[in-house]
Amino acid sequence: EAGVAQSPRYKIIEKRQSVAFWCNPISGHATLYWYQQILGQGPKLLIQFQNNGVVDDSQLPKDRFSAERLKGVDSTLKIQPAKLEDSAVYLCASTLLGPEAFFGQGTRLTVV
Amino acid sequence: GENVEQHPSTLSVQEGDSAVIKCTYSDSASNYFPWYKQELGKGPQLIIDIRSNVGEKKDQRIAVTLNKTAKHFSLHITETQPEDSAVYFCAASNSGGYQKVTFGTGTKLQVIP
Repeated sequence: EAGVAQSPRYKIIEKRQSVAFWCNPISGHATLYWYQQILGQGPKLLIQFQNNGVVDDSQLPKDRFSAERLKGVDSTLKIQPAKLEDSAVYLCASTLLGPEAFFGQGTRLTVV
Repeated sequence: GENVEQHPSTLSVQEGDSAVIKCTYSDSASNYFPWYKQELGKGPQLIIDIRSNVGEKKDQRIAVTLNKTAKHFSLHITETQPEDSAVYFCAASNSGGYQKVTFGTGTKLQVIP
């Protein structure tokens, strides 16, 4: 069974630029999560989708972050414009029915 | 909302010794407690979990205990090996409706050969 796929693995951008991350969850997993993991901290939920609907985006900085999950499968997370404090690893995870989450390898973003 | 605290932040043990990581949670509605292992450059990987109707669960060298009254849960690794070196995260979640998972701050475990 293929795992959660994310791309790119690494991204370096200048502040005020925009960036997008892509996630392909495990086939059949209806729930998809985007987490932000700042160095030395635990993952923090940004947004949760159930199929293509948003379940929880209470911690998403909506003035600069956006996410979509078209057709209930792949998802993209966008940051525009990026700030220095957005430097982090962005993790995508998916679940089937229960709460057991499977994570991708993440995208390491460095904003300079 | 839920708040999960995790201790210690770093832990060094000799190979073969045991390691214990402790977490506390604040929301009594939380009923699912997973533990994740994160190796350098990789995403977190679920290693064991426990639900609130169970007090202890074992899987080979790892075990998790839960004290619902005190809102404490712990990860125990016995006979540690160098490949156990990683960052470990506890988490708490409610399984009703849409699960919302809150992670602890992580414990960096180093197993010294």
